[in-house]
Amino acid sequence: LAKTTQPISMDSYEGQEVNITCSHNNIATNDYITWYQQFPSQGPRFIIQGYKTKVTNEVASLFIPADRKSSTLSLPRVSLSDTAVYYCLVDSGYSTLTFGKGTMLLVSP
Amino acid sequence: EAQVTQNPRYLITVTGKKLTVTCSQNMNHEYMSWYRQDPGLGLRQIYYSMNVEVTDKGDVPEGYKVSRKEKRNFPLILESPSPNQTSLYFCASKFSGKETQYFGPGTRLLVL
Repeated sequence: LAKTTQPISMDSYEGQEVNITCSHNNIATNDYITWYQQFPSQGPRFIIQGYKTKVTNEVASLFIPADRKSSTLSLPRVSLSDTAVYYCLVDSGYSTLTFGKGTMLLVSP
Repeated sequence: EAQVTQNPRYLITVTGKKLTVTCSQNMNHEYMSWYRQDPGLGLRQIYYSMNVEVTDKGDVPEGYKVSRKEKRNFPLILESPSPNQTSLYFCASKFSGKETQYFGPGTRLLVL
C-alpha cells in the first residue's frame, strides 16, 4: 500500500503559482495519482488525476516524473479562495484508499 | 442532481447507544466508502465496498460495522459508540477503477 508524504502547510500570496509536492516511493505499476481539495467542514473534491508525465485541466497541472515516486500539483495564479487543504492520493482503483494528512495552503492578499 | 447524501448531518449521543449513519448515492456507483476526519490526522478510511454484498476493512475499522445490501446505500453502524469515535464522518462513492470519488456533506458526531 503506497503511503504519501506531503508538506504540512504552505503559504502564498494572491497571483502567485503554488507547487505542492507529494512523495509516494512505494507506488505500484497500476496506481494512479489523484489530488483532492477540501474546504473546512466540506467533503474533499477532485482536482486532477494522472499516471505519468503531465496532466493539465482548467484549474491545475500535475507533473509526474518518470520514476513516479513523486508528483507535483501546480496551481497557477492562486486566489484567496484557493485556501484549503490539498490531499495527494495513490489509487489502485480496487482497494483501500489512504489520504494522508494533506497540505494546508494559506493564500494571503 | 448527482450526489451523495448522509443523514444525520449532526448527532450527539451517549456512550453505548447504538447508532446508524446512512449514506446514499444516486450515480449507480459500485464503490462506496466511509472516512473519518480528526484534527491533525487527515482523512482515514474506515470501510469500503466494491459492490453489493462486498465489504472490506480500511485503515481504522475497529468499532464500526457496515453493510451493502443495495447498490445505492452504505450505512455506517456504531454498535456501542465510545467518546474516541467523536469525529467528522464522510461517505464517498465512485465507479470501480481509477475514477474520482464524490463525497457527501459529512456527519459530525459527538459521543458523550
